[in-house]
Amino acid sequence: QVHLVQSGAEVKKPGASVKVSCKTSGYTFTTYGVHWVRQAPGHGLEWMGWISANSGDTEYAQKLQGRVTMTTDTSTSTAYMELRSLNPDDTALYYCARETGWLPDYWGQGTLVTVSS
Amino acid sequence: QSALTQPPSVSGSPGQSVTISCTGTSSDVGRYNRVSWYQQPPGTAPKLMIYEVSNRPSGVPDRFSGSKSGNTASLTISGLQAEDEADYYCSSYTGSSTFVMFGGGTKLTVL
Repeated sequence: QVHLVQSGAEVKKPGASVKVSCKTSGYTFTTYGVHWVRQAPGHGLEWMGWISANSGDTEYAQKLQGRVTMTTDTSTSTAYMELRSLNPDDTALYYCARETGWLPDYWGQGTLVTVSS
Repeated sequence: QSALTQPPSVSGSPGQSVTISCTGTSSDVGRYNRVSWYQQPPGTAPKLMIYEVSNRPSGVPDRFSGSKSGNTASLTISGLQAEDEADYYCSSYTGSSTFVMFGGGTKLTVL
């Protein structure tokens, strides 16, 4: 069975950085990409970016360019998403999701990131 | 690029059918057969219900079906059940640096 298990909730101050992990199991990690999607409280889904677990190639949402970095560790089948220069508008649930046919299929449980002074 | 356009809410009675639309452009929904639909009950992660316009993953009831015409994709839920009450999101591959777009979401209420 495919599973994506994310790291726990984080509380950060404005200007800080956060790094969320996404440990995968149940499939060959390097055969699929990983999407990162966030959802602000009471809002819809926002695509943040994608990383190929095979090549490490990335695509990031334009609004996050320069603040976000996605990486993978193939030895542990884990994907990471780091977001820098946090502001209160970055408060959201952050999801990782496996990519199939360019779109997400299996999703992690979500990681709540709260940005507050 | 703006998000794909979905109605904010739809409703139906148990046993009825409802259709949720997802309108994009000729650069995304209209160009690629890479449209997915997700169900998100309150407090849970999204779950894939339809992929590549009309395909159902294993385990998804055949009451859920997808289609596309031009720049608009649709999700139809027939034989509505109380457990179908959730938010539904569409997504499309764009082929550009934006890569993936989501709709704004539709809240389905089962009356």
